[in-house]
Amino acid sequence: GEDVEQSLFLSVREGDSSVINCTYTDSSSTYLYWYKQEPGAGLQLLTYIFSNMDMKQDQRLTVLLNKKDKHLSLRIADTQTGDSAIYFCAEILYYNTDKLIFGTGTRLQVFP
Amino acid sequence: GAVVSQHPSWVICKSGTSVKIECRSLDFQATTMFWYRQFPKQSLMLMATSNEGSKATYEQGVEKDKFLINHASLTLSTLTVTSAHPEDSSFYICSWPSTDTQYFGPGTRLTVL
Repeated sequence: GEDVEQSLFLSVREGDSSVINCTYTDSSSTYLYWYKQEPGAGLQLLTYIFSNMDMKQDQRLTVLLNKKDKHLSLRIADTQTGDSAIYFCAEILYYNTDKLIFGTGTRLQVFP
Repeated sequence: GAVVSQHPSWVICKSGTSVKIECRSLDFQATTMFWYRQFPKQSLMLMATSNEGSKATYEQGVEKDKFLINHASLTLSTLTVTSAHPEDSSFYICSWPSTDTQYFGPGTRLTVL
């Protein structure tokens, strides 16, 4: 199957770390992505990780991949109010390299 | 980074009319691009793969006669929602693939009265 699940909502205080989780069912992923969507806007690519990696860090963002458990996470350090948005994980499968499978999306709310 | 534009940003139309949405890649060319639909508080669902010079490939459940796709050039694709109805009201987003990912347009909000 091609199910990608995320928790619906996360609320954190400004300055704290946020961790957004994603689980997927198809182990054929080649690349896994994190996108950010602000209200009424398109998707902005935040970062991505190749399936043979365990971790990738990019400034305030840390991506962890546990292939055994089919679990992907995005950690945002020092979360700011401007980080409030919906975050989607997505995967590309090796046998269908054109198709992005999106997660259900997590709404992150950052309060002062 | 890559820039993708969509036009219009928001359209309101009466039921039964047709609406055309344009999607342009401003930084690079591609023979294939994608059209997605996003209902409120839901994830993106792939509608179709647009192929330059040939017919689009539609996902299961998407009516090809209702959602007409024309991949006019390597940088332009259009999606026409024909005889739109209120249930077609949604956020339509296009994307153009690059080396390891896809770059998304800002989206077009369609409201059908």
